[in-house]
Amino acid sequence: DAGVIQSPRHEVTEMGQEVTLRCKPISGHDYLFWYRQTMMRGLELLIYFNNNVPIDDSGMPEDRFSAKMPNASFSTLKIQPSEPRDSAVYFCASSLEISGRDNEQFFGPGTRLTVL
Amino acid sequence: GESVGLHLPTLSVQEGDNSIINCAYSNSASDYFIWYKQESGKGPQFIIDIRSNMDKRQGQRVTVLLNKTVKHLSLQIAATQPGDSAVYFCAEISGDMRFGAGTRLTVKP
Repeated sequence: DAGVIQSPRHEVTEMGQEVTLRCKPISGHDYLFWYRQTMMRGLELLIYFNNNVPIDDSGMPEDRFSAKMPNASFSTLKIQPSEPRDSAVYFCASSLEISGRDNEQFFGPGTRLTVL
Repeated sequence: GESVGLHLPTLSVQEGDNSIINCAYSNSASDYFIWYKQESGKGPQFIIDIRSNMDKRQGQRVTVLLNKTVKHLSLQIAATQPGDSAVYFCAEISGDMRFGAGTRLTVKP
């Protein structure tokens, strides 16, 4: 397996534009997580899905952020409209379980987002 | 995926020495803890985990110690190698997952 795949790796956009980040989890993993990492706030969990269903979105900063998982092999994180303070590295991770021995989360390489 | 910049605690050790990285967690109800390693330009990588009903767990060259009384977690790396240079951070889980700020480990040859 190629691991968790994210695209794009880098995104530069202007304030007010819509941004869509994409993630393909490891095949067979039932859980998918979206994280944001910044220098100021470190790594933050935004939302996670179980079997394509959003379970906990309490980390989503505001209504400008939305995430979907239309099927087991694809998820998107959308920011509309984007703002400079959204600039960060966004990680996607997946795991077999959320607790127990199979709870190891495998992270993708991240998308570095810069909003000008 | 650079994780952090200039304000992380740092630990510098000589190659071959043992490293100890510490983490204080906040929620006494947290029942599961994970240590992650993040190398420059990459996503975090799972190292080792421990449940709250344990106080020690060992892996290959790594040991995690949990002190619930003072809400403290530590990661010990034996015979530290240059490839261990990275940012390490702990995560606590009690329903949701919260990450610590991280510690930057630098291994000097």
